[in-house]
Amino acid sequence: DGGITQSPKYLFRKEGQNVTLSCEQNLNHDAMYWYRQDPGQGLRLIYYSQIVNDFQKGDIAEGYSVSREKKESFPLTVTSAQKNPTAFYLCAVGGLTDTQYFGPGTRLTVL
Amino acid sequence: QKEVEQNSGPLSVPEGAIASLNCTYSDRGSQSFFWYRQYSGKSPELIMFIYSNGDKEDGRFTAQLNKASQYVSLLIRDSQPSDSATYLCAVNMGGGYQKVTFGTGTKLQVIP
Repeated sequence: DGGITQSPKYLFRKEGQNVTLSCEQNLNHDAMYWYRQDPGQGLRLIYYSQIVNDFQKGDIAEGYSVSREKKESFPLTVTSAQKNPTAFYLCAVGGLTDTQYFGPGTRLTVL
Repeated sequence: QKEVEQNSGPLSVPEGAIASLNCTYSDRGSQSFFWYRQYSGKSPELIMFIYSNGDKEDGRFTAQLNKASQYVSLLIRDSQPSDSATYLCAVNMGGGYQKVTFGTGTKLQVIP
């Protein structure tokens, strides 16, 4: 069954804690993206990766880190340096064209 | 700052009517345009993409692109209550490989 999976669906973080959000795909797409969505705002790009072992900062990378060790996986770590992390986090994948497809998302809440 | 702008709505239409959603973008050199549908609490779902000036139809959906005027529209014919969602416009304004800028979305309400 092809698709994009994100886990967990809901995540709660305490102050000062790092948390990692998972994104996995079996669509064999090269490009993967992380976005953040806040109420009343458009999707904002955090990081993107075009190929394994390479990634670039997006518009709001501060307080976040990523890795791309496998084509299928692009995990996002929200560090304690991110002061306002409560948001809906969306992973997307893209192929040769610039069309992007989204996973189901992870909703992160700071306690 | 490259921008994609949409009226936040809500846009209310009666069931069976045509819903017209509009989007303007700032970069005249933009090449690719996308419409996503996002139900409350869910992730965006791609419903249309368009690259060339003119109309592109897919079932009840028609995307219209006018590059000279820098706007793209989405028409939904025979609107159904299940079409009630937020519609996101997205534009590749050439900021990098496959980098796409999203609008804030228009909330559509289809009234039975």
